[in-house]
Parts: sequence; structure tokens; C-alpha cells
Amino acid sequence: DAGVIQSPRHEVTEMGQEVTLRCKPISGHDYLFWYRQTMMRGLELLIYFNNNVPIDDSGMPEDRFSAKMPNASFSTLKIQPSEPRDSAVYFCASRPTGNEQFFGPGTRLTVL
Amino acid sequence: SQQGEEDPQALSIQEGENATMNCSYKTSINNLQWYRQNSGRGLVHLILIRSNEREKHSGRLRVTLDTSKKSSSLLITASRAADTASYFCATERIQGAQKLVFGQGTRLTINP
Repeated sequence: DAGVIQSPRHEVTEMGQEVTLRCKPISGHDYLFWYRQTMMRGLELLIYFNNNVPIDDSGMPEDRFSAKMPNASFSTLKIQPSEPRDSAVYFCASRPTGNEQFFGPGTRLTVL
Repeated sequence: SQQGEEDPQALSIQEGENATMNCSYKTSINNLQWYRQNSGRGLVHLILIRSNEREKHSGRLRVTLDTSKKSSSLLITASRAADTASYFCATERIQGAQKLVFGQGTRLTINP
């Protein structure tokens, strides 16, 4: 298996633009997680899904952030409109029930 | 505040020495996990210890868990330059299971 796949790996955009981050989890994993990592705040859980259904989105910072999982092999995290304070590394992770999480390589987002 | 608090925040030792990192948490847990993150990469799962376990080994890694003190330690024996990375503890709480809460991490540097 190729592991968790994220795209793009790097994204540079201007303030106000829409940003879409993509994730393909490991096949057969029931859970998918979106995290954000910054030096100031560390690793924060934004939202997670179980069998494509959002379970907990309490970590989503504000309405500018939205996430979808239309099927078991694809999820998106969208920021609209983006702001400089959204600059961070965004990780997607997946896991089977009851086991450890497998992280993707991350998307480094820079909002100018 | 973070569920997991690692101590120390940074540790620098000579190759061949042992490295010990600590983690404290606040609420009751199902399990505690340790992850490693190399610079610019995603997190990699190292070891999971369940709340009814006190010690676990994996290769050069030894993890202990003291639920009465709500603390865990990660010992890396005979350190190597390749062990240079950030190490995170993550707890899965009894309530809100399936999601992990990460600490801020310990930055470990192994000097050749």
C-alpha cells in the first residue's frame, strides 16, 4: 500500500483565495483525521470521519473551514477565504478501528 | 490545555547514550501512543500502550505507563544519529474515543 496520500505537498496562495487540500486514506481504514500543525499551537485535530461520516468537527477553527468525505477513498479540506494565519502544515491521517494512526506527508500551506 | 505534556521540550545527547522523554496527561485514557516526526515529514507511530499495561518494549524502545500518576516515559537505548527527530505522546481518552490528543513534543538531537 502507498500509505496516506496528500496533495498538493506545497501550496502558496494569496489572502482571500480558496484553498482545497486533498487526502486519500489507506484502503480499509474506517477513520480519517485532519490535523493542523504550527510552531505556536502544535498539532491540532480539526475534524475526523468514521465511515465517511463527520463525527467531531469541534476543532475546525471557524466557518471558513469545511471538510468532506464523499467516499471511503477521498477527503477534502477547504478554506475559503484563506487568511495568513491559516499558514501551517496540514496532515491527513487514517486508521482502522482500534489501532494506531497512519499519517500522510502533509501539505505545507502558505497564505500571503 | 494540551492533554499530553512532554518533558523536556528539547534534549541533546551523544550517540550511544540513552534518551528518556516523559509525558503527563490529565484525564483517564484508553491508551497512550508515541509518535516520531522527522523534520518536514508526517508522524510515524512507534508504540501503543494500553491503560492496563505498565511497560512495553519494541526494539530499542521502552515505554512505561503509570496511570496513578497519569504519566508515561519513552526510553530510547543506545541512541543513533538517525533517532534525531521530534517525539510526541498522544492519548486516547475514555470519552471521545478514536481521536488522539497530542502533546507539544520533545525535540531530540543525537550528536555523533
